[in-house]
Parts: sequence; C-alpha cells; structure tokens
Amino acid sequence: AQSVTQLGSHVSVSEGALVLLRCNYSSSVPPYLFWYVQYPNQGLQLLLKYTSAATLVKGINGFEAEFKKSETSFHLTKPSAHMSDAAEYFCAVRALYGGSQGNLIFGKGTKLSVKP
Amino acid sequence: DVKVTQSSRYLVKRTGEKVFLECVQDMDHENMFWYRQDPGLGLRLIYFSYDVKMKEKGDIPEGYSVSREKKERFSLILESASTNQTSMYLCASSSNRGRTGELFFGEGSRLTVL
Repeated sequence: AQSVTQLGSHVSVSEGALVLLRCNYSSSVPPYLFWYVQYPNQGLQLLLKYTSAATLVKGINGFEAEFKKSETSFHLTKPSAHMSDAAEYFCAVRALYGGSQGNLIFGKGTKLSVKP
Repeated sequence: DVKVTQSSRYLVKRTGEKVFLECVQDMDHENMFWYRQDPGLGLRLIYFSYDVKMKEKGDIPEGYSVSREKKERFSLILESASTNQTSMYLCASSSNRGRTGELFFGEGSRLTVL
C-alpha cells in the first residue's frame, strides 16, 4: 500500500533561515509526488510535483524538492524563509492501486511558523 | 486557470439538519473529490467520482452521500448532521488528460454543527 509520512507536525524557523520540511513515501513503483501549501482558511495550492523527469523539482515561491529513490524521500526546501511562507504544507503521493486510483494520498501536514 | 468553486465558505447547522455542500469546476475535469480536513489528521477522502452519475466511496464515507448529475458539479450531502461532522470540507477535481493526476482544490467549506 502507498503512504506518506511527514516528519514534524510543526516546524519553526527564523526569517531568512533555511526551510526544510520532510516527507517520506512508500510505493513499490515510481511514484508521482506532490507538495501543496494551505494558507489559513483557504484551499490547497500546488507548490510543485515530481513526475519522474528531473529529480530536483522547482516550484513556486522559491521552493524546491528533491526526489531520492534510495531514501524514499521528497523533502521540501527553501533557502531563505519569508514571513509569508507561514502556512501548512502537505506532501502527497498519487494512488496507483485499489479502488481510488487517481486519488492523492496525503500526509498529515506540517505547520510552518516563521519568526521575525 | 482551473477554478473550483465551493458554494459556501462558512456554514452553521443544527444537529439532525440535512446539509448540502456544492462544488463546481469549470475545466471539464472528469474526476471530482470530496475530502474532510481535521487538525492532526490531514485530508481524508470521503467520496470521489470519475464520471457523471458515478460515485465511489473513499476512506470515510459513513454519514455522507454524494450526487453528480452533471460533469461540472459534485455535491456532498449530510443526511442528518451530527456534531462530529464539524470540519473543513474540501472539494477537488482532476483531469484524465494529464498523466500526473494533479488535484485542483476549492477554497473549502467550514461547517459547524451545533
């Protein structure tokens, strides 16, 4: 079965510091992986996606993620945090089996706080 | 841009009331989804539909039903609302034309059941 684990339900960084949000996936075949961001009281917005092309994926707002098959990881990074990055971030993998093929399986989310 | 519109951003209902949450997408997507989001639990799939008049149960369908009479519209129905259905509800859609299955989300409907 496929699954996604996000390490750390809350991450706090200072403005200007590196942002690192961790995501590990479980999939027996090459996965499609996604990072979404959710600002307070809003829906989810796609940050970036991995579709088996380049292993380093660049997204919006200066975020990027690296697909590492050997580590089954897809961690999200940003070199310098901005106050506007404070939000909840979700990692997801596309379901390839079972009755809900095409659905995305989401991690539980990581809330990012940015301190001035 | 794809637009997924949820009819109500905030609703307050009484226990036992029938609740309709409406979702419309404007990009001719085949697939539509209803998720429920609760703190610490992430997003959980309630129901999804891959075609008009088709519906499939997700992970937590109990207490919910859905309707998809037109391709662009997917409704979530709470037949008799209960307090444990107080939550944020998110609608999403995706296309079969792209191979990645990227989901496009609405703004969410925050339901409070008293």
